[in-house]
Amino acid sequence: DIVMTQSPDSLAVSLGERATINCKSSQSVLYSSNNKNYLAWYQQKPGQPPKLLIYWASTRESGVPDRFSGSGSGTDFTLTISSLQAEDVAVYYCQQYYSTEFTFGPGTKVDIK
Amino acid sequence: EVQLVESGGGLVQPGGSLRLSCAASGFTFSSYWMHWVRQAPGKGLVWVSRINSDGSSTSYADSVKGRFTISRDNAKNTLYLQMNSLRAEDTAVYYCARKRATFDYWGQGTLVTVSS
Repeated sequence: DIVMTQSPDSLAVSLGERATINCKSSQSVLYSSNNKNYLAWYQQKPGQPPKLLIYWASTRESGVPDRFSGSGSGTDFTLTISSLQAEDVAVYYCQQYYSTEFTFGPGTKVDIK
Repeated sequence: EVQLVESGGGLVQPGGSLRLSCAASGFTFSSYWMHWVRQAPGKGLVWVSRINSDGSSTSYADSVKGRFTISRDNAKNTLYLQMNSLRAEDTAVYYCARKRATFDYWGQGTLVTVSS
């Protein structure tokens, strides 16, 4: 199984400041035949299901604000919120969909400082 | 509008069974692979199972293999998860999710509590 790790476990950022979350996979999730990274990011607010933000490591889902961006390749990935808004308070998960068993990272909680 | 609505959760004793359903609407259900993902109270997301678009291929997490069975009825636009030999550690909110590249739509979830 591909194990996903995230750092930090939590972070507090001032409104309007940048938030950066890191995700690492235990093996590469880059599929050489199509040069795509099988890596997604989700946002989950309390009492709600997860919401897809980013897929293919850097493609923003329709309707997701452009302050959210994803980067990275192979085994190391980053989700950046360029200017944190109050509504961005949530837990963020990375997920690999390279292998049959789709695994998630443990989550990173983002709060307002 | 795409909608996924889970049902069938509840309180069950250890060793018991439950069948979850996920009613889909707003899209061509038979064209999509579907998945179940669960989340124990206060914990992270864990993939449980998946089924391909015509139901001919399934896959399970090791933790549920041999106890859970995923199935679908494309005529009824419904996904199922039959859960047998339930354990306390199966207590969680169970979500169904549609797979495009990955999970682009999720249901609101149904809570399964395994306790005596």
